[in-house]
Amino acid sequence: AQSVTQLDSQVPVFEEAPVELRCNYSSSVSVYLFWYVQYPNQGLQLLLKYLSGSTLVKGINGFEAEFNKSQTSFHLRKPSVHISDTAEYFCAVSEGRDDKIIFGKGTRLHILP
Amino acid sequence: SQTIHQWPATLVQPVGSPLSLECTVEGTSNPNLYWYRQAAGRGLQLLFYSVGIGQISSEVPQNLSASRPQDRQFILSSKKLLLSDSGFYLCAWRWARSSHGYTFGSGTRLTVV
Repeated sequence: AQSVTQLDSQVPVFEEAPVELRCNYSSSVSVYLFWYVQYPNQGLQLLLKYLSGSTLVKGINGFEAEFNKSQTSFHLRKPSVHISDTAEYFCAVSEGRDDKIIFGKGTRLHILP
Repeated sequence: SQTIHQWPATLVQPVGSPLSLECTVEGTSNPNLYWYRQAAGRGLQLLFYSVGIGQISSEVPQNLSASRPQDRQFILSSKKLLLSDSGFYLCAWRWARSSHGYTFGSGTRLTVV
């Protein structure tokens, strides 16, 4: 069965600095990978997804993620964060077109002025 | 385009009272539907999902139940709420057997007092 590990529960970073949020997954088959963002008291919004093809995936709000099959990772990056990026970020995995998507426990991104 | 509606946005209920949360999807047919609960520091917990009318899969044994009386309607219920039922409840939909991720509703903040 697949699982997702987000290695950091909280990440503080200064405004305009780069950030990387780490995600590792385990699965015995090919997977679809997702990153979601949740702003306070709101539902989750899809940032980006990897299905196949290029391992570098670009999403909304200037975020990108790189799929690394050998390291079973799907880390999320942004070259320069803004105060509006303060939110919780969830990595998620689906085994092919399975009915369920499994989520990590989330990483809270704190932007410091 | 597809939209998902979830209500109410907030709810305060006494222990032992019943619960009914409703979720509806517009603009698509035969979606997969999901109920998640988000408790502080515990990430997203899948409670129920449904791949069709009357078809409910329960992921976690608990005080809650779900029903799908119509194709695009998903209801989360409880006969008697417990304090531990407090949390943020999220409904989501996804096309069946699809590579697409979930689309989430805006959530219901439930506080059991």
